[in-house]
Amino acid sequence: QKEVEQNSGPLSVPEGAIASLNCTYSDRGSQSFFWYRQYSGKSPELIMSIYSNGDKEDGRFTAQLNKASQYVSLLIRDSQPSDSATYLCAVNRDSNSGYALNFGKGTSLLVTP
Amino acid sequence: DAGVTQSPTHLIKTRGQQVTLRCSPKSGHDTVSWYQQALGQGPQFIFQYYEEEERQRGNFPDRFSGHQFPNYSSELNVNALLLGDSALYLCASGPYSRENSYEQYFGPGTRLTVT
Repeated sequence: QKEVEQNSGPLSVPEGAIASLNCTYSDRGSQSFFWYRQYSGKSPELIMSIYSNGDKEDGRFTAQLNKASQYVSLLIRDSQPSDSATYLCAVNRDSNSGYALNFGKGTSLLVTP
Repeated sequence: DAGVTQSPTHLIKTRGQQVTLRCSPKSGHDTVSWYQQALGQGPQFIFQYYEEEERQRGNFPDRFSGHQFPNYSSELNVNALLLGDSALYLCASGPYSRENSYEQYFGPGTRLTVT
């Protein structure tokens, strides 16, 4: 069973701090990695994609990928209360399709003022 | 630029009935995927459509079927509804033809309740 594992949280950080969210995956053939943000009662919103080892930065968000360790993370700098949401890690199910994704259960993030 | 749209927003059905959910992809997107999200869980992949054919399928029974139309819109059909089918059903679209980019965007979802 190919799996994506995330700590369910909640992860609580003070406003202005760095939030670090982690994800591990079991399939070494995975090539596409995504972070989605989901507010309560809403649908997932794509915030980052990463395909190569290393870091990818977009505004306050940085995604980090280490394929050797089968580990992907998301850093949120200068966290704001509006960042409070569930963050879903998603990994493609096999090397033949990037669109069929396995999701983790999500990590709940709470940013306190 | 309209994003992914889904209808209806909410639906209540009785066990054993059949349901059809609809999705229109984001402009410029030609692949559609469907996911089921139970409360407190991550989305689970049901299937993906491209060029009106089912290309990938997750671990869902044959009660779950779909269709993609020439205009890229899609339907998800579920027969013989079970109480366990109650969930948020999500449609996601992406541009199949773009190499090495598999970003896909979700619609608002359809909340299905089976009683």
